[in-house]
Amino acid sequence: EAQVTQNPRYLITVTGKKLTVTCSQNMNHEYMSWYRQDPGLGLRQIYYSMNVEVTDKGDVPEGYKVSRKEKRNFPLILESPSPNQTSLYFCASSTGTSVYEQYFGPGTRLTVT
Amino acid sequence: SQQGEEDPQALSIQEGENATMNCSYKTSINNLQWYRQNSGRGLVHLILIRSNEREKHSGRLRVTLDTSKKSSSLLITASRAADTASYFCAKETGGGNKLTFGTGTQLKVEL
Repeated sequence: EAQVTQNPRYLITVTGKKLTVTCSQNMNHEYMSWYRQDPGLGLRQIYYSMNVEVTDKGDVPEGYKVSRKEKRNFPLILESPSPNQTSLYFCASSTGTSVYEQYFGPGTRLTVT
Repeated sequence: SQQGEEDPQALSIQEGENATMNCSYKTSINNLQWYRQNSGRGLVHLILIRSNEREKHSGRLRVTLDTSKKSSSLLITASRAADTASYFCAKETGGGNKLTFGTGTQLKVEL
């Protein structure tokens, strides 16, 4: 089954404790992206990657890091989480090197206390 | 500010009625997409319309694009309770590498 998976689905952590949210897709997609969703703000893009070892900032990259060492994986790293990073996070992928139809993961609900 | 602002923010209709949602944007686009999100879940792609297209259909969905007015609309005909969800428009920006979402329309279809 073609899908995007994220782990963990739910995470409660404390300020400053490094964490990684994993994202994996099995569709051989070149393009992958991370979004955060906050009430009243819709989805905002954090980082995107057009292919292995090619990443770029989205609209809200501060406080986040990403890497793309393999085509299928695109982890999101929070080196020092803060309460304003409490949000619902989505990973997405699409074929090609542009943002055509995107397939979204199920989301990761992160709470930073 | 957000590109792709949806209107209305919330819409409540009866099953069988049509639902129309609008999306406005500020700068030129290559394509505009519509997505559906059921409460707290991942988004599902509905339809993509390119800047040189004016109308597109997919089942009970009809999307129009007016580039002169920088607006798009999503029409759901003969709505069903299962259509209850949030609907987002998304504009391709950044030379084709970025997708900017609006704030969404919450649709509730009542039996």
